[in-house]
Amino acid sequence: DAGVIQSPRHEVTEMGQEVTLRCKPISGHDYLFWYRQTMMRGLELLIYFNNNVPIDDSGMPEDRFSAKMPNASFSTLKIQPSEPRDSAVYFCASSLRGVSYEQYFGPGTRLTVT
Amino acid sequence: RKEVEQDPGPFNVPEGATVAFNCTYSNSASQSFFWYRQDCRKEPKLLMSVYSSGNEDGRFTAQLNRASQYISLLIRDSKLSDSATYLCVVNTLGRDDKIIFGKGTRLHILP
Repeated sequence: DAGVIQSPRHEVTEMGQEVTLRCKPISGHDYLFWYRQTMMRGLELLIYFNNNVPIDDSGMPEDRFSAKMPNASFSTLKIQPSEPRDSAVYFCASSLRGVSYEQYFGPGTRLTVT
Repeated sequence: RKEVEQDPGPFNVPEGATVAFNCTYSNSASQSFFWYRQDCRKEPKLLMSVYSSGNEDGRFTAQLNRASQYISLLIRDSKLSDSATYLCVVNTLGRDDKIIFGKGTRLHILP
């Protein structure tokens, strides 16, 4: 079975550019989560969706970040404009039953903003 | 006090030894707890859930102490392949559901 799929795996961009990260959750999973991981702050939840509806976006750092889930099999996280401090690994995860259950993580997108 | 705290380590442990580490949490209303394992430059993967009565999975034992607000992970007969970072996860459900990952404890098993 395919796990959570993320693309691209690596992204290098210049400050000010728009960055779009993509995620395909495991089929049948109703919950999708976006995380950011840095050495300094660890793994932080940015936003999560239930049945394509954003439930909690309190972790989204600022207005430069936005996330969408147009259907059950696709989600995007967009940063516009990007800044060097956005450099991190961004993980997408999905869960069958919700926040209190096992989450399956994708391989992550390593973002470098120069 | 931080919401979820872990000793960052590294714990350097000889192969075959037993090692244990804790994770403390600040919100007494927290309801579900997990240990995830993360290998270098990989994604986190669930190691085990932590149940109120404690639970065991092979060489791994997880326990919850609600009175003192910590969870623990014990690894017996450690293997080289146990080298990884172990992340604790604390979930609080309610009007504002919160999922908080600890920053992880690094474990190195030495041959």
